[in-house]
Amino acid sequence: EDQVTQSPEALRLQEGESSSLNCSYTVSGLRGLFWYRQDPGKGPEFLFTLYSAGEEKEKERLKATLTKKESFLHITAPKPEDSATYLCAPSNFGNEKLTFGTGTRLTIIP
Amino acid sequence: DTAVSQTPKYLVTQMGNDKSIKCEQNLGHDTMYWYKQDSKKFLKIMFSYNNKELIINETVPNRFSPKSPDKAHLNLHINSLELGDSAVYFCASSQSGTQSPLHFGNGTRLTVT
Repeated sequence: EDQVTQSPEALRLQEGESSSLNCSYTVSGLRGLFWYRQDPGKGPEFLFTLYSAGEEKEKERLKATLTKKESFLHITAPKPEDSATYLCAPSNFGNEKLTFGTGTRLTIIP
Repeated sequence: DTAVSQTPKYLVTQMGNDKSIKCEQNLGHDTMYWYKQDSKKFLKIMFSYNNKELIINETVPNRFSPKSPDKAHLNLHINSLELGDSAVYFCASSQSGTQSPLHFGNGTRLTVT
């Protein structure tokens, strides 16, 4: 069965303090790994898809990387508006469903 | 333009009642999903429909019955509501075979008292 673990559960950073979020996964045949951002009272909002080990994607202050067992979401010089819960979800070949981790709740303090 | 819309946003009801949640997407996708997010924020798939055909049915009590009248709509009917059904229910859509991401609605917060 596919498994996903995200760490840390919660992270508080000062504005401008860079850090990384971790997503460890076990899937049989990775089709893609998705990162989402979820704000309170909203649905998850798509950020990135990574397909193979070594791949990197960037968007503003966020960069996602992928290895065969983990994905990292690096946040460089974050701003308060980056505060949200970040979810990762690997998908395997053979089905269309995503298996979500429990997320990292990120708080950026001004 | 709302891509995936759910109604209602909030639903408060008593144990034993029957209720429905509606979802519509205007993205032209052929696959729609229901996910449940519990109090610990764990997001778990319940059902998936592709072109009105049920393709994923996770271990969900049969009190939950999804219905897809067409590929742009997916409704969720829940019979005999229980306290444990309290959660946020998210509808999502995607295009099969393209590795496209899921697009989520903003959820329906169901509270059973």
